[in-house]
This record gives sequence, structure tokens and C-alpha cells, in this order.
Amino acid sequence: HLQLQESGPGLVKPSETLSLTCSVSGGSISSSFYYWGWVRQPPGKGLEWIGGIYSIGNTYYNPSLKSRVTISVDTSKNQFSLRLTSVTAADTAVYYCARGGAYDYWGQGTLVTVSS
Amino acid sequence: EIVMTQTPLSLSVTPGQPASISCESSQSLLHSDGKTYLYWYLQKPGQPPQLLIYEVSNRFSGVPDRFSGSGSGTDFTLKISRVEAEDVGIYYCMQSIQLPPITFGQGTRLEIK
Repeated sequence: HLQLQESGPGLVKPSETLSLTCSVSGGSISSSFYYWGWVRQPPGKGLEWIGGIYSIGNTYYNPSLKSRVTISVDTSKNQFSLRLTSVTAADTAVYYCARGGAYDYWGQGTLVTVSS
Repeated sequence: EIVMTQTPLSLSVTPGQPASISCESSQSLLHSDGKTYLYWYLQKPGQPPQLLIYEVSNRFSGVPDRFSGSGSGTDFTLKISRVEAEDVGIYYCMQSIQLPPITFGQGTRLEIK
């Protein structure tokens, strides 16, 4: 049974960099059939796709965030990561990692608040 | 960017009664591979979204058969044949034919009367 778990700071200061890691268990992140994605949800709002990465390293980013986002993968640790630079209050959200394709498995999400 | 428009944005249903949610995409979601990349999710309060339906009409593992999906091209529908209390939450449609970006509908909030 595939499980995903997000980890990282819950509070980030404005203009700094948000960094999160998603640890995958119960399956290999190296499977070429899937890719791995990040989705966020501001408090009380809908879902916004951030981007995704294949295990071989191909990445896809939401154009609205592309200049600030980097997604990377570490197959040796069965993890993938999100970096979002120059954050503002508008980046305050619950951040989810998920298995891409059908987005069939999701982590529980982690709330990241941007505040000084 | 493909825009996904859901209607209604909220509905209140008596237990045991049916419910229906529509999702319209601004472009066809039919791929040249023959698949249509339309998905439905339910987000229960305090939980991550959970996949209900993939590729228009296929129920994900463990999803009750009271949930069904239909549609083609740009118009899609999620139906619940008999609503139960555990179906409360926000329903989202999602398209992934055009990547990037993947886009979601605004969400439809289902409440129980």
C-alpha cells in the first residue's frame, strides 16, 4: 500500500525559500510509469497544481509559478522535494504531495504559513 | 490553460436521494491515445483529496458503486445514486490532458439536509 508523507518547516518568512520533502513508502519512486507531483490549497480555497517530476528527472511546472519552483527527486531515498523561492503571504497553503498520472495517492498535507 | 467549470458550486441532498455534479472543460479532454483525461475527487473535511473516478468513468479501487462518472469531449458528470452521510465534502474535477498545467474545477460542496 503506497504511502506519501510531507515534511518541512511549517513557518517561512516572506522573501525566503519554502522547502518540503515527500517521502514515499510501500513502492518505488523509480517506477517509470508514474510521476510525482505537488498540489497546494490555500486556506478555504481550491486546489492548485504546482508541478511534477518523473523519476528520470523530467519536470513540469505550473507556468504561474515556474520562475520560483524547483522539484527534484532522490531515488536513493525514495523521496522528492519542492523548493519555492521568494515566498509571500499568498503562498500560505496546505501543500500536498501525490503520485501523478491519476493522482491516486496523496500525502496528508502540511500547512505552510508565510509570515514574519 | 484549460479552464474547468463545475456546477453547481454547492448542493444540499437528503440521504438516499441522488446527486449530480457537472464539469465542463474549455477544450476537449480526448487525447489521441483514445483516453479522456478527466478525473473526479472528493475532499472530506480535514483530509486530502481522494480519487473517485479516473478517465471519465472508471471507479478507483474501493470506491462504492453508487458513484459513477460519464461524459465525453468537454462535458462530464459525476452522479451519486443514493447519497450517504459519509459523502459530505467538496468534489473536484481535474484534467491532465494538457500538462502543464493540470487544472481543477472550483469545487462543489455537498451537504446533507
